[in-house]
Amino acid sequence: SQKIEQNSEALNIQEGKTATLTCNYTNYSPAYLQWYRQDPGRGPVFLLLIRENEKEKRKERLKVTFDTTLKQSLFHITASQPADSATYLCASFTGGGNKLTFGTGTQLKVEL
Amino acid sequence: NAGVTQTPKFQVLKTGQSMTLQCAQDMNHEYMSWYRQDPGMGLRLIHYSVGAGITDQGEVPNGYNVSRSTTEDFPLRLLSAAPSQTSVYFCASRVQGATEKLFFGSGTQLSVL
Repeated sequence: SQKIEQNSEALNIQEGKTATLTCNYTNYSPAYLQWYRQDPGRGPVFLLLIRENEKEKRKERLKVTFDTTLKQSLFHITASQPADSATYLCASFTGGGNKLTFGTGTQLKVEL
Repeated sequence: NAGVTQTPKFQVLKTGQSMTLQCAQDMNHEYMSWYRQDPGMGLRLIHYSVGAGITDQGEVPNGYNVSRSTTEDFPLRLLSAAPSQTSVYFCASRVQGATEKLFFGSGTQLSVL
């Protein structure tokens, strides 16, 4: 079955470092991946979309890569700040473009 | 511009009771959907709609009903609540188009005793 997976183990890093989160997919080839941020008690908020032919996408301190050979997307936050602490979700469409399937998310904690 | 509004924010039900979770959006989005979020399971799609009068099932539809009589509203009905339906429910909407981002509501925390 089609799966999209993220490391469920929380990631703790020091302020100013680069955080790297991983999203792996199996048994399908998504044409694009989306990344969302979710704060406790809130709904997810869209951050970035990357298409399979884009390899890399940037937005301010965020960078997303898409490696179709490794079947993996990496999400980077450079110069991380405590305000970046949240859960980050990757998602892709299955079922003909109407079903957005999410990974379980990775919790990031940026410490002073 | 309120975005996606969900009510109520919290609800406690007894097993067997029925209720409706409300979702409304004011962005004129054709696509609306319901997810549930459980620890360790992530967000799972319950039902979705691509326009008024059109609904379809997601990954976990059993025990839930939906209807879409207007573009703005997409209520989720629990016909006979079960403890397994204890979860946080999110409504989301977007412009029709597979690459478009989802806008989420703030969620409803439901406990079924």
